Amino acid sequence: EADIYQTPRYLVIGTGKKITLECSQTMGHDKMYWYQQDPGMELHLIHYSYGVNSTEKGDLSSESTVSRIRTEHFPLTLESARPSHTSQYLCASSEMGSGASTQNTAKNIQYFGAGTRLSVL
Amino acid sequence: GEDVEQSLFLSVREGDSSVINCTYTDSSSTYLYWYKQEPGAGLQLLTYIFSNMDMKQDQRLTVLLNKKDKHLSLRIADTQTGDSAIYFCAERRGNTPLVFGKGTRLSVIA
Repeated sequence: EADIYQTPRYLVIGTGKKITLECSQTMGHDKMYWYQQDPGMELHLIHYSYGVNSTEKGDLSSESTVSRIRTEHFPLTLESARPSHTSQYLCASSEMGSGASTQNTAKNIQYFGAGTRLSVL
Repeated sequence: GEDVEQSLFLSVREGDSSVINCTYTDSSSTYLYWYKQEPGAGLQLLTYIFSNMDMKQDQRLTVLLNKKDKHLSLRIADTQTGDSAIYFCAERRGNTPLVFGKGTRLSVIA
């Protein structure tokens, strides 16, 4: 059972507001990820981190920013929300792990939070 | 990068077997995964398989891997209405984030 939590679960907010989506994990995982997903659609990686003070942009350009000051937290911020930001945001984490051995495979599994469904009016 | 390909929809009758197919791209991928997503929820890992295995079985789930064709399949035996969900195939390429397919929406007809 994965211990990764996202808050809030649902958020309705007006255009122009600044918002922060929270993601926390208690597994001590080094790697964390943010995905954007429209309902029933494909996942788009927007940010990831391989450890404290490390952040990278994903495959999909996003106006959001992230920070990784502590291992367990990986918040995502939108400085000025717009209706085009309406979507579901999924956070995930995994251990660093490397190599192809059986013992390391489990470390490479990405565990997902329940998601935040954001609506910008 | 190249895409992981999945058919978008599959419809089966309750009690039948479901087979969800996936074609991945990197012959050096070491791990392949199947995730399940129910409406309004995150992704839940169902199973994974090493690239040096051909088959893995876990209760009603059977994963088959054809490395030559870079083809992965997930078979669900005795499909139930609770299996209705979106199923994502994913591959690991080196030490980078998982590459996901677009998902197959499985509908189970009672």
